[in-house]
Amino acid sequence: AIQLTQSPSSLSASVGGRVTLTCRASQDISNTLAWYQQKPGKSPKLLIYDASSLESGVPSRFSGSGSGTDFTLTISSLQPEDFATYYCQQFNNYLITFGGGTKVEIK
Amino acid sequence: QVQLVESGGGVVQPGGSLRLSCAASGFTFSNYGMHWVRQAPGKGLDWVAFIGYDGNNKYYADSVKGRFTISRDNSKTTLYLQMNSLRAEDTAVYYCTKSRDWAGWYYFDYWGQGTLVTVSS
Repeated sequence: AIQLTQSPSSLSASVGGRVTLTCRASQDISNTLAWYQQKPGKSPKLLIYDASSLESGVPSRFSGSGSGTDFTLTISSLQPEDFATYYCQQFNNYLITFGGGTKVEIK
Repeated sequence: QVQLVESGGGVVQPGGSLRLSCAASGFTFSNYGMHWVRQAPGKGLDWVAFIGYDGNNKYYADSVKGRFTISRDNSKTTLYLQMNSLRAEDTAVYYCTKSRDWAGWYYFDYWGQGTLVTVSS
């Protein structure tokens, strides 16, 4: 199965700052990648699908890019409600896997 | 609005069985594929299984293949997960999730609140 490696595993950032999270696939997955946000004690929320498409209702400060094996999620201006753990997820050959997550904390 | 409400979790001994249910509302259940995704305490997300809108297509993670069975009853708008031969490593919160759409059936746009399954003697 394809492995997804997220980096960093955690980071500290300030409100208003720009944050870039990385997800690397162990082989080419084209653009079949999504990003989710999970806050403590809550269910995950879909942010981005097909690597760069913004899910309806998600603020435009979130953006995704990449294809093949390297992907990024960028938060252009971090807001207090954005402090959470972010997961990437891929589909290939009828198997779905998630990355290990990146925890975004307040600086 | 879309609601997914899981039930059936609890404590079970290794080797035991449990059946989870997910009651869906707020959308045309019979038009969408559905998944189960789990999360061990303090750990990341782990996809478990998928079932197509009509129940004809089913896919499983290698870790549960042959032990878990996903099914659905469109007349009751309910999703199920039958879990047999349970192991300690199956301990997790189990989420019922809805496929985003037909083209992106492998993305999850709505999640339930989860039900905790604990496998312990």
